[in-house]
Amino acid sequence: GAVVSQHPSWVICKSGTSVKIECRSLDFQATTMFWYRQFPKQSLMLMATSNEGSKATYEQGVEKDKFLINHASLTLSTLTVTSAHPEDSSFYICSASVTVSSNYGYTFGSGTRLTVV
Amino acid sequence: GEDVEQSLFLSVREGDSSVINCTYTDSSSTYLYWYKQEPGAGLQLLTYIFSNMDMKQDQRLTVLLNKKDKHLSLRIADTQTGDSAIYFCAERIWGSSNTGKLIFGQGTTLQVKP
Repeated sequence: GAVVSQHPSWVICKSGTSVKIECRSLDFQATTMFWYRQFPKQSLMLMATSNEGSKATYEQGVEKDKFLINHASLTLSTLTVTSAHPEDSSFYICSASVTVSSNYGYTFGSGTRLTVV
Repeated sequence: GEDVEQSLFLSVREGDSSVINCTYTDSSSTYLYWYKQEPGAGLQLLTYIFSNMDMKQDQRLTVLLNKKDKHLSLRIADTQTGDSAIYFCAERIWGSSNTGKLIFGQGTTLQVKP
């Protein structure tokens, strides 16, 4: 139980275009979702916390207008990278907070590899 | 402050025990986690420990927590080549919106030699 499905698993886009990444909770309701960014051989950096039906809370240094997060339902959160540039190339991972799960507390999507050319 | 530190690399021989260490700074952490990440994949929860526990054992995994020193370790017994991966420790802290969030260490790359 408590599975999070993240799509796409990889995407290549041209500089200046926008890319949307979806994160769906398949068998539970995710009130809170987290979005992380991971550079090669580095740690996961929390970008923002989204709560269903309200505005996301962004971590310091993360551009709200650049990384748009929408959590309109209890099963779907999306991250849109707007006007993407090569420096936005990274591995993005979503996570959902769960209260009853073998993952105790959090379950993660499989990640999206974004390459901006 | 919120800071989690790990050593970056560990190499062991197959069959040996591996010990991965982690230190954290936030004394209000309630849960501490160990995750495994294989190349190009998401995170797999290995185990977690509540902050009022000293030790937790789960099959080949043993977690030791020294709350006084804010030190966490993960011991993998009889390490196998399939254990080669990056291991992250993470602490759960409470954000300003009263939502628990995870702060991750840099990850320790475990290399298991046959």
